[in-house]
Amino acid sequence: DAKTTQPTSMDCAEGRAANLPCNHSTISGNEYVYWYRQIHSQGPQYIIHGLKNNETNEMASLIITEDRKSSTLILPHATLRDTAVYYCIVRAVNSGNTPLVFGKGTRLSVIA
Amino acid sequence: GAVVSQHPSWVICKSGTSVKIECRSLDFQATTMFWYRQFPKQSLMLMATSNEGSKATYEQGVEKDKFLINHASLTLSTLTVTSAHPEDSSFYICSARSLAGALTDTQYFGPGTRLTVL
Repeated sequence: DAKTTQPTSMDCAEGRAANLPCNHSTISGNEYVYWYRQIHSQGPQYIIHGLKNNETNEMASLIITEDRKSSTLILPHATLRDTAVYYCIVRAVNSGNTPLVFGKGTRLSVIA
Repeated sequence: GAVVSQHPSWVICKSGTSVKIECRSLDFQATTMFWYRQFPKQSLMLMATSNEGSKATYEQGVEKDKFLINHASLTLSTLTVTSAHPEDSSFYICSARSLAGALTDTQYFGPGTRLTVL
């Protein structure tokens, strides 16, 4: 699976949009971009995933560049409860038993 | 949907004892479950992959005789830490991959089990 690069940490003011970038320049055509987050002392929580089109759900929006080499996770109105480590992971679909491999992620701190 | 539970959520045990952690997919069937562990201020590290009805596949450096994994059904996997020692103290997290449908190819994670070995 392709490797991803994320900033180590970011701050965001409460109520503002949090934009978390991810670079995945070596992504292959059959690889999806997945986003998870981990709040302190909890298991990772699935947020969203996409292939090439932008995606939106009740939690966030995922914007993938046309060349698919980078993406941005957008939390439209960040709250204090969104403080967590956010992981961007690239993984091929239908890849059998291949598990998700976690990097270091981005530590997002939402500030009141 | 897509809920994974773990039990217990935390456990404290004496050195030399064994501890069993259960992982259940509550509303979907999981042909494949994964076990991770996480040390403080580090990312999740994959320990093993288990498929229902077959032996688990362990990552390099993970002792299969120490970390026994049983995946007896499509909704239950267990991890037993045998003869636990203080260095086994960690946060253990299981994950389940769905069998089919809209949840396909997405891994869902349990809330984790914090093990402290005295």
